[in-house]
Amino acid sequence: AQSVTQPDIHITVSEGASLELRCNYSYGATPYLFWYVQSPGQGLQLLLKYFSGDTLVQGIKGFEAEFKRSQSSFNLRKPSVHWSDAAEYFCAVGPGYSSASKIIFGSGTRLSIRP
Amino acid sequence: EPEVTQTPSHQVTQMGQEVILRCVPISNHLYFYWYRQILGQKVEFLVSFYNNEISEKSEIFDDQFSVERPDGSNFTLKIRSTKLEDSAMYFCASIGALYEQYFGPGTRLTVT
Repeated sequence: AQSVTQPDIHITVSEGASLELRCNYSYGATPYLFWYVQSPGQGLQLLLKYFSGDTLVQGIKGFEAEFKRSQSSFNLRKPSVHWSDAAEYFCAVGPGYSSASKIIFGSGTRLSIRP
Repeated sequence: EPEVTQTPSHQVTQMGQEVILRCVPISNHLYFYWYRQILGQKVEFLVSFYNNEISEKSEIFDDQFSVERPDGSNFTLKIRSTKLEDSAMYFCASIGALYEQYFGPGTRLTVT
């Protein structure tokens, strides 16, 4: 069965520090992988996506993620966080063979920024 | 940048009442979805819609729920008889042929 695991429920980092949010997926075929960000009371904004090709994907707001098939991981990184990055981050997976199928979301990681 | 819109932003209704949540997807997109997020929980898939019919639905999407695209632009989710546990944020998503994805801002449904 498809699943996404985000092992960290809540992470706090200092402003200016680097960030890595973990995501592991379970999927039988080559997946499509996504990271979304959600500010309190807001909708979901797509940060980046991986479909194929280069395993290091650049996204918006200075985020990047690396697809590691051998580890079934798609961790999100940012070299230097800003206070405005405080939000909930969701990793998600979709089937690579069909764009009509649903996306499975992880349970999310809440990011807090220490001044 | 194109965007998905949803109305209303917040809906308060009494238990047992019918609600209709509305979404206007990106005009040239082909696949449409509804997801929900109970407060503090993960985003859950409800239903996908393609070519004017449901292509997939979750176990959450029981007979109380229905979707339609009545006029080629709006995409609606109807809950016939709301329950307290239907209180959640409901997101519409619109996905184009190249799998570019856009989520709407959500409708917060509160059932009292």
